[in-house]
Amino acid sequence: ETGVTQSPTHLIKTRGQQVTLRCSSQSGHNTVSWYQQALGQGPQFIFQYYREEENGRGNFPPRFSGLQFPNYSSELNVNALELDDSALYLCASSPGLAGDSTDTQYFGPGTRLTVL
Amino acid sequence: AQSVTQLDSHVSVSEGTPVLLRCNYSSSYSPSLFWYVQHPNKGLQLLLKYTSAATLVKGINGFEAEFKKSETSFHLTKPSAHMSDAAEYFCVVTRRNAGNMLTFGGGTRLMVKP
Repeated sequence: ETGVTQSPTHLIKTRGQQVTLRCSSQSGHNTVSWYQQALGQGPQFIFQYYREEENGRGNFPPRFSGLQFPNYSSELNVNALELDDSALYLCASSPGLAGDSTDTQYFGPGTRLTVL
Repeated sequence: AQSVTQLDSHVSVSEGTPVLLRCNYSSSYSPSLFWYVQHPNKGLQLLLKYTSAATLVKGINGFEAEFKKSETSFHLTKPSAHMSDAAEYFCVVTRRNAGNMLTFGGGTRLMVKP
């Protein structure tokens, strides 16, 4: 086990609604990243936070937003849900400095979001 | 810019035979490379990583990979497959010393026959 937990495990929403997904990193991990994994594909980077500030963003629209808290928890918020947002959402935490590509990222089990 | 191509979407081997999962990468910068494994209903687990030290990298569960810059490849191998190796495998690249925002390949599903 990686020590990274995510909630909820599964979630069903309807188009146009808003959703908040939660992640609890390992204690001491200052960096958290979020990824979207569509069915049958590899994960795609959404954004990364380091010490509560956004540190980088992938090719996702502004309706995807996040927060990181001092207690090593974080959130992914998605507004105006679309059918294509249906996916497994993964968070990953790492202990080192932001920008350290040698740092191992530890993944949680994910939240499966279904948008109807 | 960086990208990863996993050359086989599915690989099937018999238990006890060698495993080869192929990965080619493209990167404008010196890369760090990783292999992750994803078992059903479980999170991604790091198998091994290359970060500019030895080009032959040994990982967990008997897996290893060799970084070949001239071929822009980072293939994953294991001498003898076990039933428990059946899973989805992802080759991953990131830009060394400039961020750990991972770029994943499309994945290779490894099936192991008894």
